[in-house]
Formats: sequence, structure tokens, C-alpha cells
Amino acid sequence: GQQLNQSPQSMFIQEGEDVSMNCTSSSIFNTWLWYKQDPGEGPVLLIALYKAGELTSNGRLTAQFGITRKDSFLNISASIPSDVGIYFCAGLPTGGKLIFGQGTELSVKP
Amino acid sequence: DSGVTQTPKHLITATGQRVTLRCSPRSGDLSVYWYQQSLDQGLQFLIQYYNGEERAKGNILERFSAQQFPDLHSELNLSSLELGDSALYFCASSGTGLTDTQYFGPGTRLTVL
Repeated sequence: GQQLNQSPQSMFIQEGEDVSMNCTSSSIFNTWLWYKQDPGEGPVLLIALYKAGELTSNGRLTAQFGITRKDSFLNISASIPSDVGIYFCAGLPTGGKLIFGQGTELSVKP
Repeated sequence: DSGVTQTPKHLITATGQRVTLRCSPRSGDLSVYWYQQSLDQGLQFLIQYYNGEERAKGNILERFSAQQFPDLHSELNLSSLELGDSALYFCASSGTGLTDTQYFGPGTRLTVL
């Protein structure tokens, strides 16, 4: 079946550093979504991407829909302690259902 | 606040029992999705309803069932519960179907003892 590979699985960074994570797929996706989940809470939508090559920002967050439509990345600039959480990518293939990556757990040291 | 509500927030029950989880979608959303999240499995899609009808099915066990009512709220029924059913259960909603962005509720944490 279709799979999403999200990396890295976890990151430990210093406050103020930039962060980059990505997702790749063996299939073409029509939509890429990035969510953040705090412990015990539901995933919260950060950025939605609908076109190949699209680059979208939300504050310190920037995400891009890869040209091949098989990948996406999320960058966080100047990280702060409240960025801690698990970040999920999700992709929507043609005629299929939303598929989630396994998540990237981000820890930020003050 | 995503606009999606779920009740209850926590549920503790025993093996063999049956529980019902409830979800109210965002105002105007027609699609409701159910997901299970356990520590070692990530987010697993269970089932989707669109305007009262089942639209897509994922890794949902036969012991589980769902429905969407005319007022568009949805219920997920879990029966003959096993220890391994302990997980967070999320509901998400979207506007008109699979191509719409999904917004998640706060989840129900189910603990089976």
C-alpha cells in the first residue's frame, strides 16, 4: 500500500536553531498537509499545500510541495520552547484517503 | 480551537465492554473521519462518513462501527473491548469530501483495563 516516510523521527535542538523535516512518498500526492500535535491533544493544522512547487509560510513555519509531487518539507526558523511537539505530514493521493507520516518529535532546549 | 468537538475526553472501561464515542463536526462540514492513535502505530484511519453515508473505510475492526446522523454528528461504537484497544481516538471533519483539509477534534482517550 501507499506509505509516507517522514524524517527525522526525532530532533533535539537548542532554542533559536532552525529545524527542517521532510516527507517522501512512492506515490504522487495532490495535497500535502502539516500538523502539530501536543501531548494528549488533537493534531492542529499548520500548513496546507495544494499545488506542486507551492511554498507557503505561516509565521516562522515554511512548507513546500515538492515539484515531483512525491515529497514535502517543513522548516521552522528560530525555534522556541513552545515549538515542542510531534509534527505530522499527511498526503492525499488521487482518489485515495489521507495518509499520515509517523511523525517527527521535536524537543527544544532553552 | 478547531471547531470539532468530541466527548467524552477520557473513558476508562473493562475488557469485553462496549463504549460509544461522539463527535460533532465543524459547522458546515459534511465529512467526518475517525482515527485511532496508539503509541506504536501513529495515526490510523478508521472510517469516513459523508453526509450520513459511509464514504471510505480504513483499518477498522469488525468489532468497531460508526454512523453519522442527520444532524451530521457521528458516533464510533467499540464493542468486545480488548486491552489493545486502549488508544486516543480522534475525529476530524472537512467540507465536501476527501480533497478537503481535515480539522481534528481534541480526542477521546480510551483506557481498557
